[in-house]
Amino acid sequence: QVQLVQSGAEVKKPGASVKVSCKASGYTFTTYAISWVRQAPGQGLEWMGWISTYHGDTNYAQKLQGRITLTTDTSASTAYMELRSLRSDDTAVYYCAKVVSGSYEFFDYWGQGTLVTVSS
Amino acid sequence: AIQLTQSPSSLSASVGDRVTITCRASQGISTALAWYQQKPGKAPNLLIYDASTLESGVPSRFSGSGSGTDFTLTISSLQPEDFATYYCQQFNYYPLTFGGGTKVEIK
Repeated sequence: QVQLVQSGAEVKKPGASVKVSCKASGYTFTTYAISWVRQAPGQGLEWMGWISTYHGDTNYAQKLQGRITLTTDTSASTAYMELRSLRSDDTAVYYCAKVVSGSYEFFDYWGQGTLVTVSS
Repeated sequence: AIQLTQSPSSLSASVGDRVTITCRASQGISTALAWYQQKPGKAPNLLIYDASTLESGVPSRFSGSGSGTDFTLTISSLQPEDFATYYCQQFNYYPLTFGGGTKVEIK
């Protein structure tokens, strides 16, 4: 069965960077893109960006441009999200999600979420 | 960016009630809309895509409709396990965007 398993919770100081991993199993990793979505405490869902697991092409939310990098390791079926220059308002649960197909950018499987806390 | 406005932001209902949630897009998105259910501490779960197509394994009491700018999610007979927060998401344009959510609570 399809599974996305994310790395564990992180606590970071303002200005630091965080890198969250998302290991996929149960399907051919390079067939479907991965998106990242975050959710601040008690808030709604915010799309952060998308990576093609086949080509490595990326598309980032404008508000995160310059601070976010999405990468993959296809040999390990793992996607990564790195966010730099962390601020307190980056405190959130970060999810990876499998994209259904190239023309249908919605998400049929999600990781369990990774809580990133930014605090001095 | 396309803004998605959900209403109501919360509602109280009883088991067996018919519940309707609306999602309005700031511009037309054809039928490129998905609905998710999220329970506390859990990742969202896909319910409906293409505005009205039920995801495999989702109970038939859930249904979706609409196109262009106005969409609805209907739960025909609310069950105890349906108390959760519901989000719409458009995938017609980048950046992908979500509605603000509708929390369905027990009356």
